[in-house]
Amino acid sequence: AQSVAQPEDQVNVAEGNPLTVKCTYSVSGNPYLFWYVQYPNRGLQFLLKYITGDNLVKGSYGFEAEFNKSQTSFHLKKPSALVSDSALYFCAVRERTPGAGSYQLTFGKGTKLSVIP
Amino acid sequence: DVKVTQSSRYLVKRTGEKVFLECVQDMDHENMFWYRQDPGLGLRLIYFSYDVKMKEKGDIPEGYSVSREKKERFSLILESASTNQTSMYLCASSTHPGSSTDTQYFGPGTRLTVL
Repeated sequence: AQSVAQPEDQVNVAEGNPLTVKCTYSVSGNPYLFWYVQYPNRGLQFLLKYITGDNLVKGSYGFEAEFNKSQTSFHLKKPSALVSDSALYFCAVRERTPGAGSYQLTFGKGTKLSVIP
Repeated sequence: DVKVTQSSRYLVKRTGEKVFLECVQDMDHENMFWYRQDPGLGLRLIYFSYDVKMKEKGDIPEGYSVSREKKERFSLILESASTNQTSMYLCASSTHPGSSTDTQYFGPGTRLTVL
């Protein structure tokens, strides 16, 4: 079974400082990994994904994430946080191998990011 | 841009009522999904569909059913609503797994309150 852990319920960071939102995963094979952001009372917006290739993935709004196979991690990062980045962030994983289970994304419980002016 | 729309943003129903939540996508995606989102629990998959008239149970299908009569439309049905089904419901769609554009795109959500 696949699973995702986001160890921090909340992350606080000062505006202009770098931010990191942590994610670790577990799958039986190779993973597809995703980050989504949710603003209040809105649906999820896709930020970025790792499929294969370069371990550093760049996405929307200046975010990036680094895939680390040995640590089974996919942490979300941004060099300089903005107040408008304050939102709920979800990491998700899917097994890469084709099959019925490959349709399903498994989400973490989410991390609330607060950027303080 | 992919557009996934949900029939209602907010819905209030009474215990025992039959509730229909509708989702429509305009990108000719094969796969459609229904999730519920609860604080501290993240997103949990209720049902998904990988083709017209096909459905698969997700992690929490009890108390729910689905219908997919047309490719663009996926309906979630609460046969007899209960207070523990008060939640945010999110619909998503995606292309076939393994395609280069395989990403789930989400609708704005329906916040359902069951009294």
